[in-house]
Amino acid sequence: DQQVKQNSPSLSVQEGRISILNCDYTNSMFDYFLWYKKYPAEGPTFLISISSIKDKNEDGRFTVFLNKSAKHLSLHIVPSQPGDSAVYFCAVNTGNQFYFGTGTSLTVIP
Amino acid sequence: GAVVSQHPSWVICKSGTSVKIECRSLDFQATTMFWYRQFPKQSLMLMATSNEGSKATYEQGVEKDKFLINHASLTLSTLTVTSAHPEDSSFYICSASPGGPGNTIYFGEGSWLTVV
Repeated sequence: DQQVKQNSPSLSVQEGRISILNCDYTNSMFDYFLWYKKYPAEGPTFLISISSIKDKNEDGRFTVFLNKSAKHLSLHIVPSQPGDSAVYFCAVNTGNQFYFGTGTSLTVIP
Repeated sequence: GAVVSQHPSWVICKSGTSVKIECRSLDFQATTMFWYRQFPKQSLMLMATSNEGSKATYEQGVEKDKFLINHASLTLSTLTVTSAHPEDSSFYICSASPGGPGNTIYFGEGSWLTVV
């Protein structure tokens, strides 16, 4: 069973608008959540994270929201820029275990 | 969907011994695989990029003689931790990409190494 799901494989957004990437997880015991960004031919790079004691974490244009009751995580990018075009992965962590989503490919249209 | 499998999921070894972790792409051919190291509550650290049929490209600070990577076929890459020490205990993750449009990357389940 997939512990982490990213149901949208792709997303296109106009430059300057908001990009919202979503992630659902199954286990309420997960206590740390991360987003990674990946450009073609490169490994993923860490973007932003949030612990289960918070419901929001903001870093510049990137904000991660956590809805524990819905077991839902989202990443907001505003304003979106063409350089944000990449594949975004969510990941969850509890103890020594990590689970990753399959990624959402974001295209920001100039 | 595409699946990347790692084996073993958990391994305990004694200090000074070597341990091998396998990463397999089960339903696609992967010309490129990546190896990462993850500590709890920290970001994923890329260790090396493994290219089929050629030498791996290691990130700065990663000891290539300690972390041997072999990408012998289009579906298998191995990471061997040589002369393991307790500080090598970590969660190791691989990922693989079939290439082509979109260049989606698929992650393995990870392998937890404990060196005692």
